[in-house]
Amino acid sequence: NAGVTQTPKFQVLKTGQSMTLQCAQDMNHEYMSWYRQDPGMGLRLIHYSVGAGITDQGEVPNGYNVSRSTTEDFPLRLLSAAPSQTSVYFCASSVTGGQSSYEQYFGPGTRLTVT
Amino acid sequence: KQEVTQIPAALSVPEGENLVLNCSFTDSAIYNLQWFRQDPGKGLTSLLLIQSSQREQTSGRLNASLDKSSGRSTLYIAASQPGDSATYLCAVRPWGSGNTGKLIFGQGTTLQVKP
Repeated sequence: NAGVTQTPKFQVLKTGQSMTLQCAQDMNHEYMSWYRQDPGMGLRLIHYSVGAGITDQGEVPNGYNVSRSTTEDFPLRLLSAAPSQTSVYFCASSVTGGQSSYEQYFGPGTRLTVT
Repeated sequence: KQEVTQIPAALSVPEGENLVLNCSFTDSAIYNLQWFRQDPGKGLTSLLLIQSSQREQTSGRLNASLDKSSGRSTLYIAASQPGDSATYLCAVRPWGSGNTGKLIFGQGTTLQVKP
């Protein structure tokens, strides 16, 4: 299994541009999430999904959209990039059931800079 | 509001030393607690997951304990090695968030093991 994969690894955007961060998992996990990691702020939840067709907001959803058309994919869209969205973005997925209930697996991250 | 604190923020030890990393949380109503390792510029690697009904989990040289009533968890690393150098993050999944990806993270302890 490849686990949780994210593309791109690095991205530079100009203010106002839009883009999509890709996330995929091959573990058949129902639950997927997006976090951002900022110095001094730790990791914060942006959006999450409990299954295909179901998404909801986390702590810091403004400026981001998500959709979940398949179990495997959970893309994060930046609608109009702002310098405040400069961060490292992590996608994560969770199993359910048994001794590993809700153990979180993280992708390698996308480092985004908005100028 | 659930808050997670990790002390110390940084720790430097000589190789071979046994060490303890601390994590405290303010609300004992948690589903589980997870310890992660993060290497510089990399994603989060899950080390140990402790369900709320468990007291401890072990994996190799790592042992994590959980005391829900006091709101504390410790990560014990035996016979530390330079390869253990990384940031260690503690995260709790609040009770009632079982269907979400929501984890509340501490700020992390950055460990340096000197040869």
